[in-house]
Amino acid sequence: KAGVTQTPRYLIKTRGQQVTLSCSPISGHRSVSWYQQTPGQGLQFLFEYFSETQRNKGNFPGRFSGRQFSNSRSEMNVSTLELGDSALYLCASSVNTDTQYFGPGTRLTVL
Amino acid sequence: QKEVEQNSGPLSVPEGAIASLNCTYSDRGSQSFFWYRQYSGKSPELIMSIYSNGDKEDGRFTAQLNKASQYVSLLIRDSQPSDSATYLCAVRGRGNNRLAFGKGNQVVVIP
Repeated sequence: KAGVTQTPRYLIKTRGQQVTLSCSPISGHRSVSWYQQTPGQGLQFLFEYFSETQRNKGNFPGRFSGRQFSNSRSEMNVSTLELGDSALYLCASSVNTDTQYFGPGTRLTVL
Repeated sequence: QKEVEQNSGPLSVPEGAIASLNCTYSDRGSQSFFWYRQYSGKSPELIMSIYSNGDKEDGRFTAQLNKASQYVSLLIRDSQPSDSATYLCAVRGRGNNRLAFGKGNQVVVIP
């Protein structure tokens, strides 16, 4: 079974721009969670989508948003990028509330 | 108080020795506990999941859970250079699918 895929793998943007990241979960998995990883803060939960609905949300500003499509693929969007948004963005999928499997991540650099 | 704490600094162990990692969590109602391994520049990879008190063994890895004391540990027996990585403790909150992560412990296995 194919694993979680994320595109693009690397992104370079400038402050003020917006970015969209994509995640395709493992086949049959309906839950997609997004995490941000930075050296200082570690792994932090952004939000989770299940059956096209946001089920949980972490403590991030409204500039961070997401959505999920009927095929369970998910996108997250960050608007008005700040330097501090530079991070590894990880997507994880699970069947429901069980083990989460991570994708390779998208490395975002904001200049 | 942080949700999940991994306080130990980098751990250096000789090849063939046992590496011991500890993690404490604050939410007494947490039900699911995970250990992920993350190689430098890669995404987290699930090693172990544990849900009930006691020990769970999988190959050279043993996870131990003590809900009364709110800690979970990971033992790596017969450590190999390929075990050199950062190990992340993750706890799933009560009633949701959000994983809270510790900052991780770096393990270096010295040949």
